Amino acid sequence: EPEVTQTPSHQVTQMGQEVILRCVPISNHLYFYWYRQILGQKVEFLVSFYNNEISEKSEIFDDQFSVERPDGSNFTLKIRSTKLEDSAMYFCASSESQVSGANVLTFGAGSRLTVL
Amino acid sequence: GNSVTQMEGPVTLSEEAFLTINCTYTATGYPSLFWYVQYPGEGLQLLLKATKADDKGSNKGFEATYRKETTSFHLEKGSVQVSDSAVYFCALSEDTGFQKLVFGTGTRLLVSP
Repeated sequence: EPEVTQTPSHQVTQMGQEVILRCVPISNHLYFYWYRQILGQKVEFLVSFYNNEISEKSEIFDDQFSVERPDGSNFTLKIRSTKLEDSAMYFCASSESQVSGANVLTFGAGSRLTVL
Repeated sequence: GNSVTQMEGPVTLSEEAFLTINCTYTATGYPSLFWYVQYPGEGLQLLLKATKADDKGSNKGFEATYRKETTSFHLEKGSVQVSDSAVYFCALSEDTGFQKLVFGTGTRLLVSP
């Protein structure tokens, strides 16, 4: 069964460092997403991406965050200058289309980011 | 804004026990409702969904019914197995056209033999 692959599975970084989390979505999917879950809290939407541009973003997704699809297969989330509160599990997801309800997201296993 | 509330865990059960994980939601419009499951070391997987009121989603022995009058989507299974041990997430899709999901906090289920 096709799957979404995320790397690294766990990254530890110092506050202020740049981090790039990588995702390989399912090959025929057109819509890509990042979500995150701070320990003990809800899974939160960060950003959606379609046709090489951001289609929607949450208020969490500030100027420190950026997304890119650099080579037609990878989908990356960059955090420019990490803060302690960025420590979370980051989930990548993709979907074939945007039809609400009839379409579902396929998620990766997550990348755990720990900022010290 | 839209939100999902689900019961806190962990829920600890013996094998073959009946499972209920409560989920209620607040939403404008007519969201679709989902249960996702995360097994250890794996991604969030869709377990079941319902797209309109009174729909029942079912999969792998799990069921949930979209109750508009009580704004609920409780997950049930008649007889749990050890292999059902996982974290279960209730979610709704906002009708924004891009499949943005609003999740609950997740409920960990532990099933012992």
